[in-house]
Amino acid sequence: GAVVSQHPSRVICKSGTSVKIECRSLDFQATTMFWYRQFPKQSLMLMATSNEGSKATYEQGVEKDKFLINHASLTLSTLTVTSAHPEDSSFYICSATEAGGARHEQYFGPGTRLTVT
Amino acid sequence: AQTVTQSQPEMSVQEAETVTLSCTYDTSESNYYLFWYKQPPSRQMILVIRQEAYKQQNATENRFSVNFQKAAKSFSLKISDSQLGDTAMYFCAFKGGGSNYKLTFGKGTLLTVNP
Repeated sequence: GAVVSQHPSRVICKSGTSVKIECRSLDFQATTMFWYRQFPKQSLMLMATSNEGSKATYEQGVEKDKFLINHASLTLSTLTVTSAHPEDSSFYICSATEAGGARHEQYFGPGTRLTVT
Repeated sequence: AQTVTQSQPEMSVQEAETVTLSCTYDTSESNYYLFWYKQPPSRQMILVIRQEAYKQQNATENRFSVNFQKAAKSFSLKISDSQLGDTAMYFCAFKGGGSNYKLTFGKGTLLTVNP
């Protein structure tokens, strides 16, 4: 149980275009989802926290107009990188927490590698 | 704000031997949760072990165990009988005791298990 999927696993886009990454909880309802960014050989950097039906909370230094997050249902959150540039190339990971979960755990998706050319 | 420190950027161990990864944290909370996550080359984050701060007993999961020292704010991970598949980045993470599920991660330790 507690499986989180991400789609796509890899995406290449041209500079100036937008790309959407989906994060789904497959077998549980996720009231809260998190979006992380990870550079090679570094730790996960939290970008934003999204709660179903409300606006995402962004971490300091993260441009909310560039990284649009929508948590439209209890099983789906999306991250849209708008007007992507090469410096946005990175590994993006989502995680989800189960509604009413007693284990206080985050369940992680497999990640999406974004390359902006 | 909470901080998590992993002082060993890289470690190596021979197959079948035991290795301990260090983690210290700083918090003013009395109730919280601590986790060790493994990130193999596939980059999928995998929960290795979790510890509730209110529990005095150290958590164990098969070959993985922790040494939780609450007063010292230390949370080390011991891997016994190391296997080649244990090669990965290991992240220590802290979660406060409230309803906020936000995690604070350490910088990670790259563990290499040598044959």
